[in-house]
Amino acid sequence: SYVLTQPPSVSVAPGKTASITCGGNNIGTKSVHWYQQKPGQAPVMVIYYDTDRPSGIPERFSGSNSGNTATLTISRVEAGDEADYYCQVWDSSSDLLFVFGAGTKVTVL
Amino acid sequence: QVQLQESGPGLVKPSQTLSLTCTVSGGSISSGSYYWSWIRQPAGKGLEWIGRIYTSGSTNYNTSLKSRVTVSVDTSKNLFSLKLSSVTAADTAVYYCARESPRYFYDSSEPGYFDSWGQGTLVTVSS
Repeated sequence: SYVLTQPPSVSVAPGKTASITCGGNNIGTKSVHWYQQKPGQAPVMVIYYDTDRPSGIPERFSGSNSGNTATLTISRVEAGDEADYYCQVWDSSSDLLFVFGAGTKVTVL
Repeated sequence: QVQLQESGPGLVKPSQTLSLTCTVSGGSISSGSYYWSWIRQPAGKGLEWIGRIYTSGSTNYNTSLKSRVTVSVDTSKNLFSLKLSSVTAADTAVYYCARESPRYFYDSSEPGYFDSWGQGTLVTVSS
């Protein structure tokens, strides 16, 4: 089945830029969606179709996808951005239609 | 703004059937062209998709759970449901219901993203 690989953790100082990667075989040919999950809360979509932002999500959140890596970038990081972030794709050859990465914990120093 | 709310027992005995309901408010479950999914998350772990249903009754399931899972919909009550049979401790998790927005083409569609989620409900499997 298709596997998405995320780093377990990323640390970033306030005001700096955080980059969260999501690796997968030829992931650039797939559509990648990103979710933010704060402790005790349900996930919230922050990026869909690689680069699109839902209404209400700050412009500081952006995405890219090429080759074997998709990336979620958070610019001018704020304390409130501390959360787990998950990437997601769909894969017709997989045992499960929807595949999630294992998640990346973003810590704001 | 659509809202989803999970409900059901928080404690299920091993070998029994887990049953959850997701009530949709703020819009008709039949309006638009959405799929309705169940996703779970064991404590401290990642997200696992369980299955989805369209209002026509068409379903897709996680192959690893397929033999134990049934997702159904009741459009008259604006809700959809999950049944997971023969549960074990490994099924202990927070269960979320979510709305999926597929991508439509002129003659087909492909699975998309989850744009609305319920708050989640913890189900513990224990005797």
